[in-house]
Amino acid sequence: KAGVTQTPRYLIKTRGQQVTLSCSPISGHRSVSWYQQTPGQGLQFLFEYFSETQRNKGNFPGRFSGRQFSNSRSEMNVSTLELGDSALYLCASSRDRGFEQFFGPGTRLTVL
Amino acid sequence: GESVGLHLPTLSVQEGDNSIINCAYSNSASDYFIWYKQESGKGPQFIIDIRSNMDKRQGQRVTVLLNKTVKHLSLQIAATQPGDSAVYFCAETGRDTDKLIFGTGTRLQVFP
Repeated sequence: KAGVTQTPRYLIKTRGQQVTLSCSPISGHRSVSWYQQTPGQGLQFLFEYFSETQRNKGNFPGRFSGRQFSNSRSEMNVSTLELGDSALYLCASSRDRGFEQFFGPGTRLTVL
Repeated sequence: GESVGLHLPTLSVQEGDNSIINCAYSNSASDYFIWYKQESGKGPQFIIDIRSNMDKRQGQRVTVLLNKTVKHLSLQIAATQPGDSAVYFCAETGRDTDKLIFGTGTRLQVFP
């Protein structure tokens, strides 16, 4: 069974631009969560989606948004990029709450 | 590869020795706990999990211990190998969410 895939793997943007990251969960998994990882803040929760509905949201500004499609694939969008948004963005999928979450390789976003 | 944490606590062990990585979790309502391993340039890899109705669970060369009284989790790795070198994170979550709260991580270095 294929693992969680994320595209693109690397991205370089400039301040003020926007970016869309994509995540394809493991087949059969309906829950997708997003995390931001930085050296200073560690791993922080962004959002959780299940069956196209956002079930939970972390403490990030409104510039961070996401969605989930009917095939469980998910995207997250960051608008008006800031230097501090440079991070590794990780997606995790699971069958549902309370089950193992498996992570993708992440998208490394660099904002210049 | 990129660093996942600039000032992580580090555990150095000799190849073949046993390793013990500790974690204090924050929420007494958390009832599901997971250990992840993250190698440089990769996403977190699921190692083992434990639910709050257990105090010990064993996998292949790994054991997780849970002490709910003091909110403490530990990961024991038997016969540590060079391939075990990585950053290890504990994570906690509750029954009604997929939101993972991660610890700060511990860097495990295995030397010959």
